[in-house]
Order: sequence, then structure tokens, then C-alpha cells
Amino acid sequence: GAVVSQHPSWVICKSGTSVKIECRSLDFQATTMFWYRQFPKQSLMLMATSNEGSKATYEQGVEKDKFLINHASLTLSTLTVTSAHPEDSSFYICSAPGGDSPLHFGNGTRLTVT
Amino acid sequence: QKEVEQDPGPLSVPEGAIVSLNCTYSNSAFQYFMWYRQYSRKGPELLMYTYSSGNKEDGRFTAQVDKSSKYISLFIRDSQPSDSATYLCAPRNSGNTPLVFGKGTRLSVIA
Repeated sequence: GAVVSQHPSWVICKSGTSVKIECRSLDFQATTMFWYRQFPKQSLMLMATSNEGSKATYEQGVEKDKFLINHASLTLSTLTVTSAHPEDSSFYICSAPGGDSPLHFGNGTRLTVT
Repeated sequence: QKEVEQDPGPLSVPEGAIVSLNCTYSNSAFQYFMWYRQYSRKGPELLMYTYSSGNKEDGRFTAQVDKSSKYISLFIRDSQPSDSATYLCAPRNSGNTPLVFGKGTRLSVIA
């Protein structure tokens, strides 16, 4: 079945630094990928839609200059958290349509900003 | 009203019980209805999906969708401790549209 690979699975960084998270579709092409964020004991909240060949679209309240998204190819989207702060600590998950109706998810990246 | 409403639980049942998990939604344009299972610190894992109204069975799991009442259900028969996880309902429109998640129901199956 379709597989989405996300890297790294966890990262700890200092406040003020930037962190890049990669999301790859392994056996299918994805012109669209979705980035979600999940705080402890909360549901997944859509942050942005990554579009290959065009700008990402962000949900209301998500700072596009802080969360930079680059859909570099049909199999790779990256999310860069710039100038990270402790309140950005969360679980970030990407997903991609696998050619049929379900969306397939990466295993998530746990970000801790100290 | 939120797009997807789901009781967060927690729900605790004995091993072997039948579990019923439910969601309601407000957007009548939703056409696909997914159930995901999420273990702690992991990404969601697709359990089942249905298109439009009806039932779908896969082993111990049965998904039901009633579009007329905008009600989604997941039944787990003969529940096992390994079923302990958070279950997320997630409907969506057609095309490359994102999922809209419910809060998720935390299920514990006690041996």
C-alpha cells in the first residue's frame, strides 16, 4: 500500500533556531500534501496544504512566514519551523492522498523546543 | 457547530466487549468517511473507509455511515487489549481535499 515517510521522527532544538521536517511519498506521486499539528490529547489540526509547483495555502491563524513549506518535487514536501519557540513544541504530521480516497500519514515528528 | 463532533472519552471496556464509536458531522458535502487509529506518539493509521452511506465490514471492524442523519459509527467486535488506542473519525470531500478530524475517542480494552 501507499507509504508516506516522515523524517526526523523526533527533534530537540534551542529556541530561536530553525528545524526542517521532510515528508516523502515512497511509492506514489503526490501533487498535494497536507501538514497537521497535534498538541497533547488534542486532535489533528490542519496547518497548511502543500502544492507541488505553487505556493502552499495556510489555514487561518497559521503564520506562513514562520512555517515555511516547500513542495520540491512530486514526492517531497518540507516544513521548516523558523525561529522556533517553546510554544511551537508539538507533534507535526504530514499526509498525502495515495491515488484513492484515503489519506496516508507519516509517522509524525515530535518537536521539542527548549 | 464544529464540522466533526466526537466524544473524546476515555472509554474503558473489558476484553471481548463490543465497542461502539460514533461521530456526527455538519457538512453534507462530505463523501468519504475514514476511521483512523492512533497509538501514542505515532501517526494515524487508516482502519477503514466508506464512500457515501452504508456499511463496510473488515474482520472485527464494521463502519457505518448514515448520510441522512450525518452520523458515522465504528463497531469493534471481540475487542482486544491491542485495540487500545485513540480512534479518529475523519470525513472529507472528493478530490485532493484534507481530512477534517474529530477529537478522537481514547479507548482502553482491559484484559
